Amino acid sequence: NAGVTQTPKFQVLKTGQSMTLQCAQDMNHEYMSWYRQDPGMGLRLIHYSVGAGITDQGEVPNGYNVSRSTTEDFPLRLLSAAPSQTSVYFCASRLGQGINYGYTFGSGTRLTVV
Amino acid sequence: AQKITQTQPGMFVQEKEAVTLDCTYDTSDQSYGLFWYKQPSSGEMIFLIYQGSYDEQNATEGRYSLNFQKARKSANLVISASQLGDSAMYFCAMREGRRGGGNKLTFGTGTQLKVEL
Repeated sequence: NAGVTQTPKFQVLKTGQSMTLQCAQDMNHEYMSWYRQDPGMGLRLIHYSVGAGITDQGEVPNGYNVSRSTTEDFPLRLLSAAPSQTSVYFCASRLGQGINYGYTFGSGTRLTVV
Repeated sequence: AQKITQTQPGMFVQEKEAVTLDCTYDTSDQSYGLFWYKQPSSGEMIFLIYQGSYDEQNATEGRYSLNFQKARKSANLVISASQLGDSAMYFCAMREGRRGGGNKLTFGTGTQLKVEL
């Protein structure tokens, strides 16, 4: 099925470990983004990309890196995991820049850092 | 100031009744978009409905409608004929025009809706 695919669905890390959350979309969407969801805080933007080779920081970028080498993929890297990064992570994409373009979300990755 | 405010942490509604979930927003942009998403207990984010700031009519999508009052900066979601499957967390979100950060979707804190028999 077309859409946004996130892997893994669940992950437990030890403090200080690094890992990459994968995100892929097959809708040829230009724009991709990463959000984290914490209880009582809604979703907050971590990083986003408006096209291959272009990335920028969102609201809460510290501790995360991204790259966009292809239109399809937008991985999120945790450099040195901390308990404060325990969260549910969502990848989202949209087709274009128009204000009316909706966002398609992946199913999320639940990350626990111990 | 909060950009998106959802003042109802939890709501209950009886099956087949209508329910309104409140959302107010704050922006200085003339061009913006308002979105509602549903998050069931399984965790995925499901797009429900969209309202553009220049749209003259309220958006509707099946049992969902958006009561858009631009002067009051409110964008309430109305669910008619509630069903048990509507039990979920509902998020209001806004995307502002480029001057306000056009690449960011700003979310409220959500309203947990429970539909009862």
